[in-house]
Amino acid sequence: ETGVTQTPRHLVMGMTNKKSLKCEQHLGHNAMYWYKQSAKKPLELMFVYNFKEQTENNSVPSRFSPECPNSSHLFLHLHTLQPEDSALYLCASSQEGTGTEHNQPQHFGDGTRLSIL
Amino acid sequence: RKEVEQDPGPFNVPEGATVAFNCTYSNSASQSFFWYRQDCRKEPKLLMSVYSSGNEDGRFTAQLNRASQYISLLIRDSKLSDSATYLCVASSGGSYIPTFGRGTSLIVHP
Repeated sequence: ETGVTQTPRHLVMGMTNKKSLKCEQHLGHNAMYWYKQSAKKPLELMFVYNFKEQTENNSVPSRFSPECPNSSHLFLHLHTLQPEDSALYLCASSQEGTGTEHNQPQHFGDGTRLSIL
Repeated sequence: RKEVEQDPGPFNVPEGATVAFNCTYSNSASQSFFWYRQDCRKEPKLLMSVYSSGNEDGRFTAQLNRASQYISLLIRDSKLSDSATYLCVASSGGSYIPTFGRGTSLIVHP
């Protein structure tokens, strides 16, 4: 499946580095999401963008900075991360209904496995 | 935030067994429900949506009980390849942000 593409697949960085994760969706969806999943832990929602507007910031530290230039692209800018930030970062997209319409399921990218040295 | 609860397991079953997972949700306004499967170190993948009347896809059957606010997933004739974590998801019509359960781990052994 190439509906949601994430790059890079793996990233190793030092605590003082700055890097960015990229997500691109080819499904024509109007909502995009960043999730964090640490080892043997559940998914943690980080950010949500709907029609390019950020609608959710789930108390995420400021060392994570999202950017959504258009409805197909989503970035997560990283700087001065901590060892506990090592995790799988997942991007997802979905087509959201309005009002009482049933919501459509999310489609996930393969994720970026991030290791902080 | 409204919760979605799942028994984390693991459920350890032999090949060919039938296994059922339940998931409860606390938001009575939830309207859309899904089951995802997640393999170790991989992304979640949609297994099936859950419809009000219940639905079946091969060996998998999903049921919704609105009165008791739970959904279930039944897997018949388990295969080794069914070993994974199964995530329950609920979302309401007023909020497109889904709520994921913590997942139920299934191990199918020979």
